Amino acid sequence: DIQMTQSPSSLSASVGDRVTITCRASQAIMNSLVWYRQISGKPPKVLVFGASRLQSGVPSRFSGSGSGTEYTLTISSLQPEDFATYYCQQHYTTPYTFGQGTKVEIK
Amino acid sequence: QVKLQESGPGLVKPSETLSLKCTVSDDSFRSDNFYWNWIRQPAGKGLEWIGRIHDSGATKYNPSLESRVSMSADTSKNQLSLKLSPVTAADTAVYYCARSWVYGAMGNVFDYWGQGILVTVAS
Repeated sequence: DIQMTQSPSSLSASVGDRVTITCRASQAIMNSLVWYRQISGKPPKVLVFGASRLQSGVPSRFSGSGSGTEYTLTISSLQPEDFATYYCQQHYTTPYTFGQGTKVEIK
Repeated sequence: QVKLQESGPGLVKPSETLSLKCTVSDDSFRSDNFYWNWIRQPAGKGLEWIGRIHDSGATKYNPSLESRVSMSADTSKNQLSLKLSPVTAADTAVYYCARSWVYGAMGNVFDYWGQGILVTVAS
């Protein structure tokens, strides 16, 4: 299985801050990387797929980048609804695997 | 916009069978373009892909669960089903069904999810 490791596990930030989350895969995944945001009690929602493609309807403050085994999600200006947990997932090969999550909390 | 809804017992006894259904709101369930997946999340923890089924009936399971899991589809009812047996307390989780594309840039991306159903394994 491809192991996905996110960092940090949690962070504290304020509204308007720029936030970056990193995801590392245990092997190259050819940009097949998804970022989800999960608000407590709700299912995850796709933000970015294919490492850098913004899902339809997702605000432009979200962006993804990376290649090979290292990928990042950047939120350019944190909004109140962004205080949530973020997961990466490789969609390169089965079994599809997720990172352990990054919880973004209010400072 | 497609909607997915999980249903089934919220409490299952250890060593018994967990059985869940997911009803899909539209005919995309019968399309060759999609896989239909089960994903679970223990309370306060991360996400685990359980497996998927295609309209053709083809299945793919996570090797970590393959010996205990079975999925099926009823296209006449737009429903997919999950069976997991035997269960232990470690199978306590919120279970989600989710759609993913077969092809293209969104291939294997879970773009629509049900709200999830909490299943507790306890005696």
